[in-house]
Parts: sequence; structure tokens; C-alpha cells
Amino acid sequence: GAVVSQHPSRVICKSGTSVKIECRSLDFQATTMFWYRQFPKKSLMLMATSNEGSKATYEQGVEKDKFLINHASLTLSTLTVTSAHPEDSSFYICSAEGGGDTQYFGPGTRLTVL
Amino acid sequence: QKEVEQNSGPLSVPEGAIASLNCTYSDRGSQSFFWYRQYSGKSPELIMFIYSNGDKEDGRFTAQLNKASQYVSLLIRDSQPSDSATYLCAAAQSPLGGYQKVTFGTGTKLQVIP
Repeated sequence: GAVVSQHPSRVICKSGTSVKIECRSLDFQATTMFWYRQFPKKSLMLMATSNEGSKATYEQGVEKDKFLINHASLTLSTLTVTSAHPEDSSFYICSAEGGGDTQYFGPGTRLTVL
Repeated sequence: QKEVEQNSGPLSVPEGAIASLNCTYSDRGSQSFFWYRQYSGKSPELIMFIYSNGDKEDGRFTAQLNKASQYVSLLIRDSQPSDSATYLCAAAQSPLGGYQKVTFGTGTKLQVIP
């Protein structure tokens, strides 16, 4: 149980385009989902907390107009990187909160912006 | 200010030995603690969680929590080369009226030498 999927797993796009990443909890409902970014050999960096039916809460320094988060249902949250630039290239990982504060991670999405 | 501290390693142990991974946290309000394993290029996967002081065993893994010392550890018995990965420690706080906040350490890289 507690499976989280992400789609796509890998995306390459041109600078200036927008990219949408989906995060789904497959066998449980998640009121809260989280979006992280991880650069090579660096730790996870929490970008925002996504709550179903309400606005996302962004961490300090994360541009909410650039990283749009929508938590449309108890099993789906999306992250849209708008007007992507090469410095946005990273590994984006979502997690969904299961019981007892436990976070279950998706497999991640590797974004490359040319 | 780092809230969850881990030694980055690498920690090298011979196959079959016990690997000991340590973590300290600064927020006394932390209530739940997690150990995740992350292979290179992959997202973290949950190994164990612990809420209460003392030891919690699951197969070859034992998590230890000492809230007075603000210390969490993970022991891996009979280490295998497949255990070679980065281990992330995380502490969760659930403030009243607010959403859960989980803070991750930067991870300890474990190398199990055949």
C-alpha cells in the first residue's frame, strides 16, 4: 500500500515553456501533499505544501507565481513550472501524507530545461 | 540554521557488519521521526518511523529515539552491498491548527564494502 505516482518521470523542454507534473496517491487519499526539489548531491528542499481544496503554502524564497500548485482532489496534486529556465532544471519529487505524519514519496520527475 | 543534522559521510562498513547512522534535531516540538533510503537518482523510500523513546526493530533495521538528547539513530545489521545508499533522517512537527511540517536532514551516504 501507500503508493504514489508521478508523471512524467522525465521531461525536456525549451526555455520559456511551461511544464506540468502530476502527483497521484494510488491507494490512499491524501489531504496534504508536498513538493520538493533536489539538485544533484544536495538534500531535499521543500518547495510547498499542497492542501486539498485550499491554496498551497509556499516556503520562503519559492515563487508562487512561477511554481503553480493545484490540489484538485484527495488523490491528485499538480505542479506547473511556468516559463521554465535552465536554472529550473532539477529533480522534482512529490510526497503524500499517509497516516501518522508519514510521507510517501513519488518516484520523482527529472526536468531539463534547454 | 539546520534543524536536522546528519553526518554526510560517506560511512563505509564491511559486508555483514552493523552500520550505525545518527541524527540530531533541534526542535523539541518534533513528535515523529523517519528514516528514508535514497538510491542515487531515485526518490526516497520509507524504511521506518518512530514516535516513542526507545528502540523499534523491523527486520535488519532498528531505529532508536532519545527525545531528551534529541537524538535518533538507525542501525542496520548484517549490512549488504544493496544497502549502499544515502539515508535521510526526518523530523515532523504537527502544530495545533496547522499542517504537518517535516524537516529532512542532508543525508548520510553509506557504502557497504563486499
